[in-house]
Amino acid sequence: DAGVIQSPRHEVTEMGQEVTLRCKPISGHDYLFWYRQTMMRGLELLIYFNNNVPIDDSGMPEDRFSAKMPNASFSTLKIQPSEPRDSAVYFCASRVLAGASGADTQYFGPGTRLTVL
Amino acid sequence: AQTVTQSQPEMSVQEAETVTLSCTYDTSENNYYLFWYKQPPSRQMILVIRQEAYKQQNATENRFSVNFQKAAKSFSLKISDSQLGDTAMYFCAFMGFQGAQKLVFGQGTRLTINP
Repeated sequence: DAGVIQSPRHEVTEMGQEVTLRCKPISGHDYLFWYRQTMMRGLELLIYFNNNVPIDDSGMPEDRFSAKMPNASFSTLKIQPSEPRDSAVYFCASRVLAGASGADTQYFGPGTRLTVL
Repeated sequence: AQTVTQSQPEMSVQEAETVTLSCTYDTSENNYYLFWYKQPPSRQMILVIRQEAYKQQNATENRFSVNFQKAAKSFSLKISDSQLGDTAMYFCAFMGFQGAQKLVFGQGTRLTINP
């Protein structure tokens, strides 16, 4: 399996621009998570989906952030408009079907390093 | 709400030595999972080891083992015969059986293995 795939790996943009981060979970996984990592706040959950449905978006910082999962193999995290304080590494993770061996383990993608100037 | 605390921001040992990273957590749940993830300079989050709280036996994975003390809410990671490739940030994480299926991470410990 290719693992969780994220694109782009690096993104540099200017304040006010729209940013779209993409994620392809591991095939067969029914949970998908978006995390953000910063020096100040560490790793924090932004939102997660179960069977393509958003379950908990309480970690989304504000209305400028939105996430979608149109199908089981693709999710996006969008920031519009972007601000310098959004600079961070954004991780996507997925989890195997509930009940299967190792169902509790989340597997992470390589992350997207976002820099907003 | 659950919290995870790693009290050692940085550690440094010589190659081949044994090192133990500390982690404590707070929860009111009885069943849960605990994890150690490794983040090398490539920033990839890599699962090192996992422990189910209902299992009394400590988990082991080759050179990595844990000391799980449920009553004390402690979950330390021991790395034996440390190697240069073990240099990384190590994160302890908690996930409950109930409610949100999310990982709660500690602040991380930066481990450096010196030649």
